Amino acid sequence: DIQMTQSPSSLSASVGGRVTITCQASHDISKHVNWLQQKPGKAPELLIFDASNLALGVPSRFSGSGSGRHFTFTINGLQPEDTATYYCQQYDDLPQTFGQGTKLDIK
Amino acid sequence: QEQLVQSGGGLVKPGGSLRLSCVASGIPFSGYYMMWIRQTPGKGLEWVSYISGRGDMIDYGESVKGRFTVSRDNGHNKLYLQMNSLRPDDTAVYFCATDGASNPVIWGQGALVTVSS
Repeated sequence: DIQMTQSPSSLSASVGGRVTITCQASHDISKHVNWLQQKPGKAPELLIFDASNLALGVPSRFSGSGSGRHFTFTINGLQPEDTATYYCQQYDDLPQTFGQGTKLDIK
Repeated sequence: QEQLVQSGGGLVKPGGSLRLSCVASGIPFSGYYMMWIRQTPGKGLEWVSYISGRGDMIDYGESVKGRFTVSRDNGHNKLYLQMNSLRPDDTAVYFCATDGASNPVIWGQGALVTVSS
């Protein structure tokens, strides 16, 4: 199985600030990474697909980059509604696997 | 509107069975590979099963192989997960979702399955 090592596990930032989350894959997975947002009690929602493409309707303050084994997810201009847990997901191979999640708190 | 709506879930005793359902709307369902994923506080998000659009390619995670069966009814835009021989460590929120490589990627709202005596 492809392991996705995500860091940090949690972070806190201020409204208007910027945060970066990283995922490292145990194998080369090209650009086959999604970034998901999950709010408490809700299903995950897609933010970024193919490592760097913004999903429909997602604000441009969200962005992603990377390929191969190293991937980065960034939120600029943090808003209170960005409080959530964020996950990377690889779909290069079965089983599709996820990072452990990053819990973001907006101060 | 593209969405997946789940039903099923609940409390079941160890060794029991349960069937989860997921109905799709707003997407050409038969063209989508579909997945079941479960989530627990301890293990995070875990891929459970996968089925191709025509239902001719199926795979399962090691922890559920031989106990769970995925199926689909493309005529009614429905996806199913039959869970047998349930164990306490199957307790989780179960999500149906389009395959990670799909466009769009959408998830159902989730269904809580609790296995306890």
